Amino acid sequence: GESVGLHLPTLSVQEGDNSIINCAYSNSASDYFIWYKQESGKGPQFIIDIRSNMDKRQGQRVTVLLNKTVKHLSLQIAATQPGDSAVYFCADLPSSGGGADGLTFGKGTHLIIQP
Amino acid sequence: DTAVSQTPKYLVTQMGNDKSIKCEQNLGHDTMYWYKQDSKKFLKIMFSYNNKELIINETVPNRFSPKSPDKAHLNLHINSLELGDSAVYFCASSQGAGLAGWQYFGPGTRLTVT
Repeated sequence: GESVGLHLPTLSVQEGDNSIINCAYSNSASDYFIWYKQESGKGPQFIIDIRSNMDKRQGQRVTVLLNKTVKHLSLQIAATQPGDSAVYFCADLPSSGGGADGLTFGKGTHLIIQP
Repeated sequence: DTAVSQTPKYLVTQMGNDKSIKCEQNLGHDTMYWYKQDSKKFLKIMFSYNNKELIINETVPNRFSPKSPDKAHLNLHINSLELGDSAVYFCASSQGAGLAGWQYFGPGTRLTVT
């Protein structure tokens, strides 16, 4: 079936470095993508989103890139901090209207920040 | 000030029992969801309620029954609990149907069935 998936289950980076978390999706009909962060013992927290008519979107220290040609999504975190340690999920909404669609989550990537 | 709250946070019970998890949101949202997260951290939608109407039932066993007394509450009742039901259950809410990307999640309820 169609799915959203991540390339690496664990990513370890040095504090202060930039990190890139990748995600591949297979549903061509997806037109809305979201990144969530889940800290230990907590629920997922929205980070940033992007619509399919965009290639790039920036937030505070985070940038999401969308490559529709290869169905690839990435989350870049600049100058990582200890508080960035968490599991990161990409998710998509398979339709762009009508109904209260639940998110389709990919497998998470555990980002570990080394001191 | 908690936006989406769930009770209990931890629930340990034996196989065959019936249990409920409660969820409340004070954001004024009209859509609420239940997700299940397994031991491998995989999150999957179970149910969605929009204005007290069930929108999604993603092939969840009928032992699971969501109940929404009003749009601020979406409870999850589980009958005849099985070992495989052990997971973390997250409630979420959003405003509006369609592109409901801005879903706010509760802190989760860790259910352990022994």
